[in-house]
Amino acid sequence: DIQMTQSPSSLSASLGGKVTITCKASQDINKYIAWYQHKPGKGPRLLIHYTSTLQPGIPSRFSGSGSGRDYSFSISNLEPEDIATYYCLQYDNLTWTFGGGTKLEIK
Amino acid sequence: EVKLVESGGGLVKPGGSLKLSCAASGFAFSSYDMSWVRQTPEKRLEWVATISSGGSYTYYPDSVKGRFTISRDNARNTLYLQMSSLWSEDTALYYCARHGDGDPLFDYWGQGTTLTVSS
Repeated sequence: DIQMTQSPSSLSASLGGKVTITCKASQDINKYIAWYQHKPGKGPRLLIHYTSTLQPGIPSRFSGSGSGRDYSFSISNLEPEDIATYYCLQYDNLTWTFGGGTKLEIK
Repeated sequence: EVKLVESGGGLVKPGGSLKLSCAASGFAFSSYDMSWVRQTPEKRLEWVATISSGGSYTYYPDSVKGRFTISRDNARNTLYLQMSSLWSEDTALYYCARHGDGDPLFDYWGQGTTLTVSS
């Protein structure tokens, strides 16, 4: 089974700032990684798929990159509504594994 | 608007069974693969089961294989998860999720239904 190691587990940043989250896969996942935003009481919201492709309606403040086993996700120009937990998901080869999540707080 | 509404959660004793439902609307349900994903009390997300659009193919992780069965009724636009031999580790918030167009990932999720396994 493919494991996804996500870090950090939590972080705090200022409004207008930038944060970066990383996910490392236990094997090459061929860029099949997605990123989700999760707020309490709601289902996760898909932000990015196939490493860097933004979903329609998602602002360009959100971005993703990476290849092989190493991937990153960034949010720039942080806004109050970005407070949430973020998860990566690998979806290579008809298996699905999530990272452990990163809880984002605004300073 | 894509809408997924889960129901059927509750409190079950260890070894018990329960069936979850997910009512879908706002899209051509019979054209999409569907899955169940759960969030544990520790906030981990875990994939639980997947079914193909026509219902012919199903996939499970080892943790639930043989205990959980995913099914669907395309005439009723409803997804199901039959769970048996439940134990405390199955306690979670269970989400129904749609797979993307041509992409095997989850693009829309419901709000979840809670299962608690406890004596």
